Amino acid sequence: EIVMMQSPATLSVSPGERATLSCRASQSVSSNLAWYQQKPGQAPRLLIYGASTRATGIPARFSGSGSGTEFTLTISSLQSEDFAVYYCQQYNNWPLTFGGGTKVEIK
Amino acid sequence: QVQLQESGPGLVKPSETLSLTCAVSGYSISSGYYWGWIRQPPGKGLEWIGSIYHSGSTYYNPSLKSRVTISVDTSKNQFSLKLSSVTAADTAVYYCARLGIVVVFDYWGQGTLVTVSS
Repeated sequence: EIVMMQSPATLSVSPGERATLSCRASQSVSSNLAWYQQKPGQAPRLLIYGASTRATGIPARFSGSGSGTEFTLTISSLQSEDFAVYYCQQYNNWPLTFGGGTKVEIK
Repeated sequence: QVQLQESGPGLVKPSETLSLTCAVSGYSISSGYYWGWIRQPPGKGLEWIGSIYHSGSTYYNPSLKSRVTISVDTSKNQFSLKLSSVTAADTAVYYCARLGIVVVFDYWGQGTLVTVSS
């Protein structure tokens, strides 16, 4: 099983600032990496797949990068609606596995 | 627009079987893609439970495999989850979702809280 590790657990950022979230895989997942956003009481929402491709309707301020074992989600200028928990997920191998999440909170 | 809706008991007794159904609208399961279940214990992260193709082919999380059965009913356009011998550790919000063309969860249900308690 591929273990996904996210850091930091919590990120405190001011509105308008840049946020950088990290995700590391225990072995290579190539570019088969997705990012999800989850707000309280809601289901997760797909943001990024293929490590860097934005899903339909996702604003350009969200960008993903990386391959192999190291990945990054960048939110270029945080808006109020972006404060949420973010999860990475690998789909290179079964079983599908998620990272533990990064909570982006208002500083 | 693809929509998914979970249904089932919100309270299950320890040692019994948790049973949930996911009704799909806006897309025919028979047309393709994998469909899956994910759970989230209160205040914790996401855990993939398993996925099924319209043909019935399945993949399960090894940590749950001995207790999980996922089935599909294409005539009703729905798929189901059974988790046996539940304990308090199985208390979670259970989501159903579609695994899209690149095997990522692109459409999700709203989730349903299942509590295991006597």
